[in-house]
Amino acid sequence: QSVLTQPPSASGTPGQRVIITCSGSSLNIGRNTVNWYQHLPGKAPKLLIYRNDQRPSGVPARFSGSKSGTSASLAISGLQSDDEADYYCSFWDASLNGVFGGGTKLTVL
Amino acid sequence: EVQLVESGGGLIHPGGSLRLSCEASGFTFSAWWMHWVRQVPGKGLVWISRINVDGTTITYADSVKGRFTISRDNAKNTLFLQMHSLRAEDTAVYFCARGRLTWGAFDIWGQGTRVTVSS
Repeated sequence: QSVLTQPPSASGTPGQRVIITCSGSSLNIGRNTVNWYQHLPGKAPKLLIYRNDQRPSGVPARFSGSKSGTSASLAISGLQSDDEADYYCSFWDASLNGVFGGGTKLTVL
Repeated sequence: EVQLVESGGGLIHPGGSLRLSCEASGFTFSAWWMHWVRQVPGKGLVWISRINVDGTTITYADSVKGRFTISRDNAKNTLFLQMHSLRAEDTAVYFCARGRLTWGAFDIWGQGTRVTVSS
């Protein structure tokens, strides 16, 4: 059981905007920055968002992140079929160890 | 191209040992902290260990502490995970990941190597 709570599933139709949430507490999200990863089965996970709302080079602007208090969100606009994947929120604790949410399986209908 | 390639996975009996490797290319391996993350079938990603640039600072998740050992050979651009006393619950895909300190994130990942612990 992770300290970060994500909905197990989310869905949307092509072109739609989808938001995936990540809920924590003052001990984790409240005091650390949040990252988001995309993972397609059989592939290497990919960093989508770091430090709450920053996109690495090469990640489309359709992906955006935000954080407020003890919750964080990943928004995907202009949903595409190849966005169908598992999405994980994550942070590094004070020891610089990683902590992941349980993951959200996104289905593009 | 910046790349991480894991190897060494396979089928192993409970109680057995296995050593995973992660070969880095395309970047100065010796300058980066490295991590291992695993994914149990049907479950999410779980962080299990990390090592600093020269191997002097190492941490483990409680689930593997005392059984797994992370190490690195900077001359060979390779990260290792030595696993002992393997259990069925260690069955997972194991990923190595590069840790970018300034971002507090894993910015490069390998595709993973599968470990199956079964009799």
